[in-house]
Amino acid sequence: GESVGLHLPTLSVQEGDNSIINCAYSNSASDYFIWYKQESGKGPQFIIDIRSNMDKRQGQRVTVLLNKTVKHLSLQIAATQPGDSAVYFCAEKGVRRNYGQNFVFGPGTRLSVLP
Amino acid sequence: KAGVTQTPRYLIKTRGQQVTLSCSPISGHRSVSWYQQTPGQGLQFLFEYFSETQRNKGNFPGRFSGRQFSNSRSEMNVSTLELGDSALYLCASSLVGRGGTEAFFGQGTRLTVV
Repeated sequence: GESVGLHLPTLSVQEGDNSIINCAYSNSASDYFIWYKQESGKGPQFIIDIRSNMDKRQGQRVTVLLNKTVKHLSLQIAATQPGDSAVYFCAEKGVRRNYGQNFVFGPGTRLSVLP
Repeated sequence: KAGVTQTPRYLIKTRGQQVTLSCSPISGHRSVSWYQQTPGQGLQFLFEYFSETQRNKGNFPGRFSGRQFSNSRSEMNVSTLELGDSALYLCASSLVGRGGTEAFFGQGTRLTVV
C-alpha cells in the first residue's frame, strides 16, 4: 500500500485556546477533502468537508481552509475542549474521476488538550 | 439510524489461516469501502464496492479480496495470513455512487495474526 508516513505529529493546546491542525496533500487533481477525528478504540468520525471550488468552510466550532496553490489544508478548532483530544486525519479523494470513494489519508495529528 | 456495523470487533488468527470480516453499511448506502490501519502505514485504501461490483482497488496483494451482496452488506477476506496483516480493518459506507461525498466509518475489526 501507499506510504503515508511513520511519524504522528502531536499538538498540545490549553483548554479554551484555538487549535490549528495542518495537512499537506499530494494530488493536485484532488477535488474533495475531509477532516476526520479518531478517538481511541473507535473508527474515524466525520468532522467537516470542503470541495476544491471553495477555500473556506465553517461548521460548529470548526473551520477548514483550503489552499490549492500550495496544496495545503488546515482545520481550526475554536475554544478547544477536552473532548477534542483525538487523532485528526485529513483525507483527499485521490482518483481523477468522478466516481469512487477511495480516499488517501494523511498520517494524522494527535491533539492533546491540557486542562 | 444505525451506523456502520463491523463484525467481529476483535479476532486472533494464526499465520497461514484465512479470515473473513463483515460490514453492514448504513441503510440506503450503496458504496462500501475498506481500509487497513496500522501504526506504521496509517490508513490505507483496500477496495470499494458499489452495487455488488468492485469499483476501485488499492495497492494490496491478491490475498486481500472482498465482495458485496445485494443488500449492500460487504465482506472482506484475507487468505494465507501473515504477521504483517495485523491491523485495524475499517469499513466505510457512503450514500451515493458519485465520488465526493462523506464516508461514514464503522468501529473496525482488530485483527491480530500470531
